[in-house]
Amino acid sequence: AQKVTQAQTEISVVEKEDVTLDCVYETRDTTYYLFWYKQPPSGELVFLIRRNSFDEQNEISGRYSWNFQKSTSSFNFTITASQVVDSAVYFCALSDFNTNAGKSTFGDGTTLTVKP
Amino acid sequence: DVKVTQSSRYLVKRTGEKVFLECVQDMDHENMFWYRQDPGLGLRLIYFSYDVKMKEKGDIPEGYSVSREKKERFSLILESASTNQTSMYLCASSEDRGHEQYFGPGTRLTVT
Repeated sequence: AQKVTQAQTEISVVEKEDVTLDCVYETRDTTYYLFWYKQPPSGELVFLIRRNSFDEQNEISGRYSWNFQKSTSSFNFTITASQVVDSAVYFCALSDFNTNAGKSTFGDGTTLTVKP
Repeated sequence: DVKVTQSSRYLVKRTGEKVFLECVQDMDHENMFWYRQDPGLGLRLIYFSYDVKMKEKGDIPEGYSVSREKKERFSLILESASTNQTSMYLCASSEDRGHEQYFGPGTRLTVT
């Protein structure tokens, strides 16, 4: 069975601080995909990034960066110089390529609050 | 841009009523999903579909059924609504296995 653990339920930082959201996953599959989604206060989940199990390169997109380490089964997300607009619930998800539809297992989410 | 729409943002129903939640996507995606989101429980998969008329149970299918007669539309049915089905319901679609999901705005259902 697949499992995604986001141990941090809530994080609060002050604007301009860097913050890392942790994600640890469990799967027996060799082919899988990892995702991060953002759910702002307005409610609609928005896709941020996808990583496949064969690509361990870190990714940077503006103030966002992702660190994928198969050795520790982790896919952590760092926001540099956080802003108030980063306040949201962030979900990490794991998709099983071998099932119909490649359904995803989501973590419980981390609520990030960035204070001005 | 992919657009996933849900028929209602807010819905109030009475216990025992039959409830239909509709979801439509405009990108010809193969896969569609229904989740419910509750505080502290994350997103839980109710049902999903990987083709027209093809559906599978997710993690919490009890009390729900689904229908997918056309590729773009995926309906969630609560046969006899109960108060413990009060929740936020999210619909999503994806192009293929391993692809990201695109979510609708959600329907907040209250059963009284």
